[in-house]
Amino acid sequence: DVKVTQSSRYLVKRTGEKVFLECVQDMDHENMFWYRQDPGLGLRLIYFSYDVKMKEKGDIPEGYSVSREKKERFSLILESASTNQTSMYLCASSSPFKNQETQYFGPGTRLLVL
Amino acid sequence: AQKVTQAQTEISVVEKEDVTLDCVYETRDTTYYLFWYKQPPSGELVFLIRRNSFDEQNEISGRYSWNFQKSTSSFNFTITASQVVDSAVYFCALDQTGANNLFFGTGTRLTVIP
Repeated sequence: DVKVTQSSRYLVKRTGEKVFLECVQDMDHENMFWYRQDPGLGLRLIYFSYDVKMKEKGDIPEGYSVSREKKERFSLILESASTNQTSMYLCASSSPFKNQETQYFGPGTRLLVL
Repeated sequence: AQKVTQAQTEISVVEKEDVTLDCVYETRDTTYYLFWYKQPPSGELVFLIRRNSFDEQNEISGRYSWNFQKSTSSFNFTITASQVVDSAVYFCALDQTGANNLFFGTGTRLTVIP
């Protein structure tokens, strides 16, 4: 079974702090994604990566950056956290080359920025 | 441009009732994929189904069924004889690229009352 893990289920940070959200997948997937989920807005794509050291902006990249130094790990970075970044963050992975059906999601990280 | 509309924000049904969740999409592509995901209270999105644009056959899996109609750009999801465990947020999603790059609707929260 595909396993996508996220470093924290719940996180509380203060405004201005640098925040790292880590995601690891164990299925050798090429693609990894970061979304944020907010009530009434569904899932919105922040960044995605098709390969190591590659990254592409999604629909709402402002205030975020990412890092993919290893194939299995995709990090989301909030350089200076703000209260409007309080949200649920979901990581996902997929492979377009292995007849995989879809993206597989981690359990999510609920981030509260005070 | 792509768009996925889930007009029903919240639905409540009594256990054993049937319920249909609506999904309407917009895309300029002739080849695309449609998905349904379930997000239970635990938070992790669970993949339910993937359908490509050339396959309009309806799908049935146990109590779940899906009705794909290209003529109306709809991909509706029906739960027959609903159960309390069906209570969740359900997301419809569109992939125009075939590379599992998903665009999500805003979700429908289903509550099944015992």
